[in-house]
Amino acid sequence: AQSVTQPDIHITVSEGASLELRCNYSYGATPYLFWYVQSPGQGLQLLLKYFSGDTLVQGIKGFEAEFKRSQSSFNLRKPSVHWSDAAEYFCAVSFNDYKLSFGAGTTVTVRA
Amino acid sequence: ETGVTQSPTHLIKTRGQQVTLRCSSQSGHNTVSWYQQALGQGPQFIFQYYREEENGRGNFPPRFSGLQFPNYSSELNVNALELDDSALYLCASRATHGTQETQYFGPGTRLLVL
Repeated sequence: AQSVTQPDIHITVSEGASLELRCNYSYGATPYLFWYVQSPGQGLQLLLKYFSGDTLVQGIKGFEAEFKRSQSSFNLRKPSVHWSDAAEYFCAVSFNDYKLSFGAGTTVTVRA
Repeated sequence: ETGVTQSPTHLIKTRGQQVTLRCSSQSGHNTVSWYQQALGQGPQFIFQYYREEENGRGNFPPRFSGLQFPNYSSELNVNALELDDSALYLCASRATHGTQETQYFGPGTRLLVL
């Protein structure tokens, strides 16, 4: 079945440490790939997206993601986490249509 | 800020009732999508409207319907509410019809059905 999988439900990281969130997709073709962040009481904000070209994508707030076709993955990384990065993160895919299909999300907690 | 607003922020209804949720998009955004986000899950696509016509629907029954108006506002209507309709409802707008255009999400309306 076609799906987007975020294997980690919850990650706790110390402030200043690095962060990596995993995302795998299961589709016949390579989709367009997105990472969104959702803070409490806020809507979804786009961090970055990949359509084609360079497989390392830079986004806002110091985030980057790497597309690996062989692993059907699009993992999100940040070298040094700030307390304000505590939020829920969603990986999403889309094809040449109208809808985003989201993973179940990963909650990130940042400890001082 | 995304420039997309939604009202109300919270709503409580009882089973069998009808509800209307509203979204105001950025000026010039002629495409709006609605998503349902149940607790602990990712958003699920309900449908999309482009130039005031529905042009895509996810796996939701006909009691979920919508409207889009020329002033860049839109509505999501849900009839015969069920307990499982309790969720955060998000609208997202974008300027063009294409997939590559960034979608801007509103903060959502949290609906509780008792």
